[in-house]
Amino acid sequence: KAGVTQTPRYLIKTRGQQVTLSCSPISGHRSVSWYQQTPGQGLQFLFEYFSETQRNKGNFPGRFSGRQFSNSRSEMNVSTLELGDSALYLCASSLVPVGSGTPRTQYFGPGTRLTVL
Amino acid sequence: QKEVEQNSGPLSVPEGAIASLNCTYSDRGSQSFFWYRQYSGKSPELIMSIYSNGDKEDGRFTAQLNKASQYVSLLIRDSQPSDSATYLCAVLPNAGNNRKLIWGLGTSLGVNP
Repeated sequence: KAGVTQTPRYLIKTRGQQVTLSCSPISGHRSVSWYQQTPGQGLQFLFEYFSETQRNKGNFPGRFSGRQFSNSRSEMNVSTLELGDSALYLCASSLVPVGSGTPRTQYFGPGTRLTVL
Repeated sequence: QKEVEQNSGPLSVPEGAIASLNCTYSDRGSQSFFWYRQYSGKSPELIMSIYSNGDKEDGRFTAQLNKASQYVSLLIRDSQPSDSATYLCAVLPNAGNNRKLIWGLGTSLGVNP
C-alpha cells in the first residue's frame, strides 16, 4: 500500500507570496492532519480534516488555511508569506481522526520544505 | 496547558548499549502514547504505541508506561549507529471531543560505533 505523498517536496517563495501544498493520504485513510515543524518549536499542529470538514485547528493565524476533497486528498494554503513561515510542513493521515474513540495511529508523509526569502 | 516534555539531549550511547529515552506529560487522564523516530531531514515514523500500564516490547524496542507517575519511556536494546535520530513522544489527552496529539520537542540520540 502506498504511503502518504506530499507535493511539492521543496518550495522557495518570497515574502508576501502565497503557497499551496498538497497531500494524498494512504488509501482508505479519511483523516488528514497538517503540522509545521521548525527546529525551535518542534511539531506544531495546524489543523485536521475528516470527511471534507475541519475537525480541529491549532493556534495559527488565519493566513493558514486548508481543505479536504471528497477523495480525502488535502491542500494547505498559506497567504502573505512571512520569513517565519519557513519550515517543514508535514501531512499525516489516519483511518479516522486521531482523537475519535479507539486511538488511531498517524502516518506521516515526507514533508514539504518551504523556504521564504 | 497540556504539555509533553522530553530531554532534548543529545544523548550519546556506545554501540551495543541500552538507550533510555524519557517523556513526561501533564494531563493525568491521557490514555494513548506514541513514540516516533525522525532521522535528520526526514519525516517522523512510528516506532510503537502503548495504551496500558507496563511494558510493551517490539524487537529491540520496549515502551514503558507509568500513568501514576505520568511518564512513558522508550528503551532501545543493543543500540546501533542506525538508531541515531531524534525520538519524538506524542500523547493523546483523554478529555474533549476534538482531541489532538500533544508532541514533545524530541530527544536527539547518537549511537557511537
